[in-house]
Amino acid sequence: GQQLNQSPQSMFIQEGEDVSMNCTSSSIFNTWLWYKQEPGEGPVLLIALYKAGELTSNGRLTAQFGITRKDSFLNISASIPSDVGIYFCAGQLRHTGNQFYFGTGTSLTVIP
Amino acid sequence: DVKVTQSSRYLVKRTGEKVFLECVQDMDHENMFWYRQDPGLGLRLIYFSYDVKMKEKGDIPEGYSVSREKKERFSLILESASTNQTSMYLCASQENLPYNEQFFGPGTRLTVL
Repeated sequence: GQQLNQSPQSMFIQEGEDVSMNCTSSSIFNTWLWYKQEPGEGPVLLIALYKAGELTSNGRLTAQFGITRKDSFLNISASIPSDVGIYFCAGQLRHTGNQFYFGTGTSLTVIP
Repeated sequence: DVKVTQSSRYLVKRTGEKVFLECVQDMDHENMFWYRQDPGLGLRLIYFSYDVKMKEKGDIPEGYSVSREKKERFSLILESASTNQTSMYLCASQENLPYNEQFFGPGTRLTVL
């Protein structure tokens, strides 16, 4: 299957700090999604991106669809303790069905 | 709101047992998916289905089979469970449009002893 490289693998930050994470691929994607998974739960969609260069916000979260279509970024501003969880990127290739490929996740810990 | 439910949150089985994991969605979605999630490996697709009685292999189908007899229900079957199938299993559903996100269930954490 497709490989999505997500970094960093884990982050330990102080409450109030900003967070950045990204996903890269060797393939061109036509859709990028960002999910958050809390302990013991399934992933929940945060942001969906459908066009190259698109910048979309959801509260303190902002995500961008890279111009090359091979990467995407997620930023969280002014982190709070409830931001704790694992963040996944997911990409959908051009000219395929509805299958998504997932990154390996970024585990975020926020220290109060 | 889309709701995807999975029959068990936690399951413990013995090696060699036949295991059924059930997934039900209530939004009349055409597409359904089974993933397994392991630390450091992310989500890997086992099987998916675009319609009733239809199934397609994902990236890691070995040791698994699926059944979709009704549109709302997608079952994952481990014919003879092995310890390397200990994992978190996630079901997802999706409307059959080109740019639609997948909605996930809460997951089943399966331990095979």
